[in-house]
Amino acid sequence: ETGVTQSPTHLIKTRGQQVTLRCSSQSGHNTVSWYQQALGQGPQFIFQYYREEENGRGNFPPRFSGLQFPNYSSELNVNALELDDSALYLCASRKEEGLDEQYFGPGTRLTVT
Amino acid sequence: RKEVEQDPGPFNVPEGATVAFNCTYSNSASQSFFWYRQDCRKEPKLLMSVYSSGNEDGRFTAQLNRASQYISLLIRDSKLSDSATYLCVVNMALADSWGKLQFGAGTQVVVTP
Repeated sequence: ETGVTQSPTHLIKTRGQQVTLRCSSQSGHNTVSWYQQALGQGPQFIFQYYREEENGRGNFPPRFSGLQFPNYSSELNVNALELDDSALYLCASRKEEGLDEQYFGPGTRLTVT
Repeated sequence: RKEVEQDPGPFNVPEGATVAFNCTYSNSASQSFFWYRQDCRKEPKLLMSVYSSGNEDGRFTAQLNRASQYISLLIRDSKLSDSATYLCVVNMALADSWGKLQFGAGTQVVVTP
């Protein structure tokens, strides 16, 4: 196991609602990235947090936001949910900025109805 | 054009055989490369990093060709447990996309008895 945990494992929400997903990084890892993986696709980069600041963002609208806490755990918040937001949301942690390998949590499967 | 492209497969491989597949990337400034393995409805798991000189880990061999902008993965003596989707991952550590992993959509490998 990677030591990266996510909660909840599954979630069902209604269009227009808001959701918060949580991630605890592997011990010693201070960088957390969030990804969205739609069915049949590779993960798409949402954003990354390093030492509690957003450091890099993919092509996602502002209704996708996040936080990182002093213990390096992180949250992903999505407002005004749309049907297309249904996906597996993955967080990944790594040790430092740069090119190090990332380790993924088990993901949260979000269904928007 | 997608930044990372993979043949989706499936590659149907008899047990014990060798299978190889490639991944192409579009950004010549890409600096680090990885192969991840993803089982159905599970998180991606790091299989191996890919180094310029090529590297081997047991039955798995990865190669990088910077001139032609592709990486490859070869699996020897395939096992039934090798059945999975293999994700090609490229990292561009540039000022405006620091730490942004670009994933391919994956190559499905099915090892048959």
